[in-house]
Amino acid sequence: QSVLTQPPSVSGAPGQRVTISCSGSSSNIGAGYDVHWYQQLPGTAPKLLIFGNINRPSGVPDRFSGSKSGTSASLAITGLQAEDEAEYYCQSYDSSLSGYVFGTGTKVTVL
Amino acid sequence: QVTLKESGPALVKPTQTLTVTCSFSGFSLSTSGMRVNWIRQPPGKALEWLARIDWDDDKFYSTSLKTRLTISKDTSKNKVVLTMTNMDPVDTATYYCARSAGGGYNWFDPWGQGTLVTVSS
Repeated sequence: QSVLTQPPSVSGAPGQRVTISCSGSSSNIGAGYDVHWYQQLPGTAPKLLIFGNINRPSGVPDRFSGSKSGTSASLAITGLQAEDEAEYYCQSYDSSLSGYVFGTGTKVTVL
Repeated sequence: QVTLKESGPALVKPTQTLTVTCSFSGFSLSTSGMRVNWIRQPPGKALEWLARIDWDDDKFYSTSLKTRLTISKDTSKNKVVLTMTNMDPVDTATYYCARSAGGGYNWFDPWGQGTLVTVSS
């Protein structure tokens, strides 16, 4: 049972911009805990995409960007490419659960 | 280069105890701030954090699974072991281990490839 809520799916044509929301509460994102994002390609392990709300690890294209405001966060993909078709998860820490929490996951489809 | 790899049984029976091992390289769990986590993913479902062990042997567990989980480490062998008691078919999942670090660096990177565990009689 995920604590962070994401839309089940988003889609876009190649070259378009899509955004994925991650909605939390006052015990996680709203409490100031950072949000991180992962990309999971079909049949593979998750890979870190964004850390500390807005930072990209080395090697992650600048087409991917993150933001955070209040009790939610967002991941934007600009210039959508076929290789971006994957499942995306947000992650944070929850003080009421005293543990890490993940989002429900969003499937990105490139039309 | 930091790598992690999970190993364990592919099939366990209901009520049995699961033991999965994370073997890692490229870092040491004796280094201040280092942490190893276990995360699972049922087929077609979302990720769920299970447990964490720190360089100083502090241990943290998912509130909902705390009574069933035990995490331990063998620093000299670069291994972390997770046991989960009283397995049930709903525990069928891919079990991942992943590194994290202290000091507010609460993200998981990198991840192992995962090991699929099926619970069935």
